[in-house]
Amino acid sequence: QQPVQSPQAVILREGEDAVINCSSSKALYSVHWYRQKHGEAPIFLMILLKGGEQKGHDKISASFNEKKQQSSLYLTASQLSYSGTYFCGPNKAYSGGSNYKLTFGKGTLLTVNP
Amino acid sequence: ETGVTQSPTHLIKTRGQQVTLRCSSQSGHNTVSWYQQALGQGPQFIFQYYREEENGRGNFPPRFSGLQFPNYSSELNVNALELDDSALYLCASSLNPWTSGFSYEQYFGPGTRLTVT
Repeated sequence: QQPVQSPQAVILREGEDAVINCSSSKALYSVHWYRQKHGEAPIFLMILLKGGEQKGHDKISASFNEKKQQSSLYLTASQLSYSGTYFCGPNKAYSGGSNYKLTFGKGTLLTVNP
Repeated sequence: ETGVTQSPTHLIKTRGQQVTLRCSSQSGHNTVSWYQQALGQGPQFIFQYYREEENGRGNFPPRFSGLQFPNYSSELNVNALELDDSALYLCASSLNPWTSGFSYEQYFGPGTRLTVT
């Protein structure tokens, strides 16, 4: 089942902040965040693990509420390069090598204007 | 370090035909996952291969099948193509977390755009 992302789209001016939310109906082990620019491959941004561990980029932060099965991605002082579609991929299982069975949401289209 | 590559870039097939898509994983990565991305949607997990065996599958019918080779490259085969199979097919390689510590990133290839007419 797909996670639900909100908002569906957001338009910012350079330097503004944005928050993208992701909700899942299932208990989660981890949440993965990716950004995809039009016509390009998704690139890794962040992973949040149950228990609070994070791994990702310096200028992007995120939170993971295990009880609420929600995650939020925080983009501060946005840059033009932040434009793209952001996908969250909750992962509900951790089982050795089979922990990348990600089901991504429909995405949030972020547009940063000068 | 060579990134993930996929071939072909674009493909047009007719309904009922069969197609094979190919993926070369990033150097050193032993796990390959395949995703289907329909227009305006997020990538949907098809299956994953680790050490040449299927290691998990999403909600896709058996006519979607795959292979992983000893060099970790992979193929996605789709039989009896349907119009709804038209999509961007992405493969993503990664390291197995048991052997890589905390390297959880997946590295996606540019995708193969499949059009079924």
